[in-house]
Amino acid sequence: KAGVTQTPRYLIKTRGQQVTLSCSPISGHRSVSWYQQTPGQGLQFLFEYFSETQRNKGNFPGRFSGRQFSNSRSEMNVSTLELGDSALYLCASRTGTTSYNEQFFGPGTRLTVL
Amino acid sequence: QQQVKQSPQSLIVQKGGISIINCAYENTAFDYFPWYQQFPGKGPALLIAIRPDVSEKKEGRFTISFNKSAKQFSLHIMDSQPGDSATYFCAARWSKTGANNLFFGTGTRLTVIP
Repeated sequence: KAGVTQTPRYLIKTRGQQVTLSCSPISGHRSVSWYQQTPGQGLQFLFEYFSETQRNKGNFPGRFSGRQFSNSRSEMNVSTLELGDSALYLCASRTGTTSYNEQFFGPGTRLTVL
Repeated sequence: QQQVKQSPQSLIVQKGGISIINCAYENTAFDYFPWYQQFPGKGPALLIAIRPDVSEKKEGRFTISFNKSAKQFSLHIMDSQPGDSATYFCAARWSKTGANNLFFGTGTRLTVIP
């Protein structure tokens, strides 16, 4: 079974631009979560989608948004990019949202903001 | 505010030695404590997880020790191997609602010297 895939793997943008990242979950997984990983802050939860609905959201500004499609694929959008948005963005999928459903991470998209 | 505190930041161990990574948490509502292993260029992968109703869980060379009263848990890697060289993250989740709001520690970079 194929793992979580993320595209693109690397991205370079300039301040003020916007960016869209894509995530394809493991087949059969209906929940997709997004995380930001930086050397200073570590791994931080952005949001989770299940059945096209946002279920939970971390403490990030409104510039960070996401959506999920009917095939469970998800996109994350960051508008008005700032230098501090440079990070590894990780997507994780799981089968459902019961308490101990384990999640599986993709390899991430490395975003650099210049 | 860091919900989960992890130490040390980096660790160097000789092959065959024991690697110990410690984590502490404040929120007593946390009821699921996983450890993740991350290699460069890869997303985190679940290594082992524990629930607070047990004090220890062992899987192969990896053991989690859990101290509920002290609100601490640790990962022990026995007979450490060069292939174990990676970054390790502890995490905690409040699973009551099933929401995927995992809180991660800041990570420990483990280097196992041959």
